[in-house]
Amino acid sequence: NAGVTQTPKFQVLKTGQSMTLQCAQDMNHEYMSWYRQDPGMGLRLIHYSVGAGITDQGEVPNGYNVSRSTTEDFPLRLLSAAPSQTSVYFCASSWLGIGELFFGEGSRLTVL
Amino acid sequence: DQQVKQNSPSLSVQEGRISILNCDYTNSMFDYFLWYKKYPAEGPTFLISISSIKDKNEDGRFTVFLNKSAKHLSLHIVPSQPGDSAVYFCAASEGTNFGNEKLTFGTGTRLTIIP
Repeated sequence: NAGVTQTPKFQVLKTGQSMTLQCAQDMNHEYMSWYRQDPGMGLRLIHYSVGAGITDQGEVPNGYNVSRSTTEDFPLRLLSAAPSQTSVYFCASSWLGIGELFFGEGSRLTVL
Repeated sequence: DQQVKQNSPSLSVQEGRISILNCDYTNSMFDYFLWYKKYPAEGPTFLISISSIKDKNEDGRFTVFLNKSAKHLSLHIVPSQPGDSAVYFCAASEGTNFGNEKLTFGTGTRLTIIP
């Protein structure tokens, strides 16, 4: 079972470059979300979606865009990367109404 | 403003003894609480949860206690095993049914089990 798959696992960007972190899940979960993990800050919610075509902002949405065209995929876009976006990013999914999130393995992003 | 707080960044416990990890929250609307375990270079994995209608939930070696009046929960692991060495995150959500997915996480406690 694949579960939640994130790509790439590692990425180095220069300030101002753009990129997309991919997330796919094969569990038919309605809910998908992106978190970032920073030292001393825990996991903070960036954006989330409760179904195809529906997205909303989390706690730290600035500098990130998302879209949800299918149930399976929830890509996270950085339009103009900044050093403050250096972090480990986790995609997570679940069924609606259930608090147990299933996480991907994470994507480590460094912005120089 | 950290709504979910884990005030101990690290904890070391002898193998076989009890590990107690603590978590405090400030948002009185939180009514569902979870613990996640995270190994290095992996995503967090769900461990155990508790609803606000309960004050205790057990699953094998893991027990979560909830004290709503103190806005405090704790995770007990007994007996502790070397494989329990990981970072543990406390998480909370508000609302029943829809809305439970949106979790607020604490900063984590690194548990080290000493053989």
